[in-house]
Amino acid sequence: EVQLVESGGGLVQPGGSLRLSCAASGFTFSSYEMNWVRQAPGKGLEWVSYISSSGSTIYYADSVKGRFTISRDNAKNSLYLQMNSLRAEDTAVYYCARVATIIDYWGQGTLVTVSS
Amino acid sequence: SSELTQDPAVSVALGQTVRITCQGDSLRSYYASWYQQKPGQAPVLVIYGKNNRPSGIPDRFSGSSSGNTASLTITGAQAEDEADYYCNSRDSSGNHLGVFGGGTKLTVL
Repeated sequence: EVQLVESGGGLVQPGGSLRLSCAASGFTFSSYEMNWVRQAPGKGLEWVSYISSSGSTIYYADSVKGRFTISRDNAKNSLYLQMNSLRAEDTAVYYCARVATIIDYWGQGTLVTVSS
Repeated sequence: SSELTQDPAVSVALGQTVRITCQGDSLRSYYASWYQQKPGQAPVLVIYGKNNRPSGIPDRFSGSSSGNTASLTITGAQAEDEADYYCNSRDSSGNHLGVFGGGTKLTVL
């Protein structure tokens, strides 16, 4: 069974940093591309970042470029999102999502709240 | 980047048929995927590709595409189908699946 479990969310002050993790199991993690997608309270889904299976190709949404860094450790079956210079508008549930030509599985998400 | 446009809200009578649409230039080149999201839950894939359903998705869900418009059709809507529905496709460069529609809130009356 495919499982994606996010962790690392919480309350952080504006300008602060947070590192999200996504633990993958039930599939060969190193063979799949991955995404981070977020959802602000009461809002729609917003793509945040993409990483190829090897980690060699990375893309970011303009809204997070220069502040967020996506990475992965295939030996640990884990995906990460380092978030720096956080803003109030980054408040959202962050989902990691597996890509198999399409986004086929999502984690349950972790809530990030940016507030003073 | 590109955009996908969805109607914010649609309603359907119990047992009737409803179509939810998604418009965008990228859909001329790429199929949309459709996700169902219920309150407090993660999105779930319901339709992908030309008209494919993952295992466990009822056959009342179907998909189609024409020009720049993709459609999700629910034939015989059930109370449990009340949810938000999002379309997703590749960006204009085709590099990644970075484009989501704004979502459609489906109400089953």
